[in-house]
Amino acid sequence: EVQLAQSGAEMKKPGESLKISCKASGYSFSHYWVAWVRQMPGKGLEWMGVIYPDDSDARYSPSFQGHVTISADMSISTAYLHWSSLKASDTAIYYCARPHYGQPFSPFDSWGQGTLVTVSS
Amino acid sequence: IQLTQSPPSLSASVGDRVTITCRASQGIRDNLAWYQQKPGKAPNLLIYTASILQSGVPSRFSGSGSETDFTLTISSLQPEDFATYYCQHVNTNPLTFGGGTKVEIK
Repeated sequence: EVQLAQSGAEMKKPGESLKISCKASGYSFSHYWVAWVRQMPGKGLEWMGVIYPDDSDARYSPSFQGHVTISADMSISTAYLHWSSLKASDTAIYYCARPHYGQPFSPFDSWGQGTLVTVSS
Repeated sequence: IQLTQSPPSLSASVGDRVTITCRASQGIRDNLAWYQQKPGKAPNLLIYTASILQSGVPSRFSGSGSETDFTLTISSLQPEDFATYYCQHVNTNPLTFGGGTKVEIK
């Protein structure tokens, strides 16, 4: 069974850094892309970007390019989403998800449970 | 590519036939998926490639359309179907989602 287990909720101050994680199991992690999706409070879904763990090829939405970094560690089947300097507007639930096909732009058939990130002074 | 869903919300009764539409700002062939999201939960894939039912999804859900106009139909609404539904195009970077349609109990 495919499972994506995300790290726990975080409460941070503006300007702080943060890395959240998504640990995959039940499939060959290195051969499937992993995507990240943002959902701001009470709002819809936004695709942030995607990474191929085998070679760390990462593609970003222009809306998020330069604001976050997506990475992966094949040795522990884990993908990451990293901020170097958080803003209050980064407050949201962040989901990792696995594209259905072995392609970066395909529907997501498995999702993590979400990580709530709260940024407040 | 922008996706416009309508209506933003609707009220319906158990047993009703419900149709949600999703319009793309440019042609995307059949590169469209539909998701259901319940409060406090991650989205769940219902339909992909516009009309293919994801494994395990009840057959009362169906999708149709191509290029710019798509629909999600629930043939007979069940209590567990009250949720928010999103369309998503997977045509090019960036993938985008529609604004969502909240299906509420009448």
